[in-house]
Amino acid sequence: NAGVTQTPKFRVLKTGQSMTLLCAQDMNHEYMYWYRQDPGMGLRLIHYSVGEGTTAKGEVPDGYNVSRLKKQNFLLGLESAAPSQTSVYFCASSYQQGWTGELFFGEGSRLTVL
Amino acid sequence: EDQVTQSPEALRLQEGESSSLNCSYTVSGLRGLFWYRQDPGKGPEFLFTLYSAGEEKEKERLKATLTKKESFLHITAPKPEDSATYLCAVQARGSGNTGKLIFGQGTTLQVKP
Repeated sequence: NAGVTQTPKFRVLKTGQSMTLLCAQDMNHEYMYWYRQDPGMGLRLIHYSVGEGTTAKGEVPDGYNVSRLKKQNFLLGLESAAPSQTSVYFCASSYQQGWTGELFFGEGSRLTVL
Repeated sequence: EDQVTQSPEALRLQEGESSSLNCSYTVSGLRGLFWYRQDPGKGPEFLFTLYSAGEEKEKERLKATLTKKESFLHITAPKPEDSATYLCAVQARGSGNTGKLIFGQGTTLQVKP
């Protein structure tokens, strides 16, 4: 099992450009999440999904959109990138029943917006 | 406002020198407190879940404890391979089974041989 896979791992954008980060999990988890990690700020939740076709806002959703068309995939989109969106983005997934607190994270996608 | 603060930001230890990392939290009803380990360039990896004051969990050289206001991660006789950033997170009541966690900024531990 690959676990949680994120693509791309690195990307450089110019201000105003758009892009999509892809997250795929092969553990049949119901829940998926997008977090961003910035120095001194810790991980912050952007959006999450509790099942195929559902999405919900997290702590810092502005400037991002998400979609979960298939259970195994969770896409994070930036329509018009801004330098403040320079960050490392982590996708995570978890199972629903009897959850014990374990989130399964991908290895991250490092985005730089110039 | 729910908040998690970790201290110190960075900690350097000699191999075998035991110490503790602190995680202070304020949350509107604690559902669970979690510890994760993060290696450079990797995603966080789950270590422990604590649910109520007085609870303790152990894994190899690590022991996590919980009070009503803070949690400690005790590292006994650390080895260089314990070097990593340790993240603390809380989940508030009302979050259900979702991983809507509030993370601290982490403590970066370096263990020198």
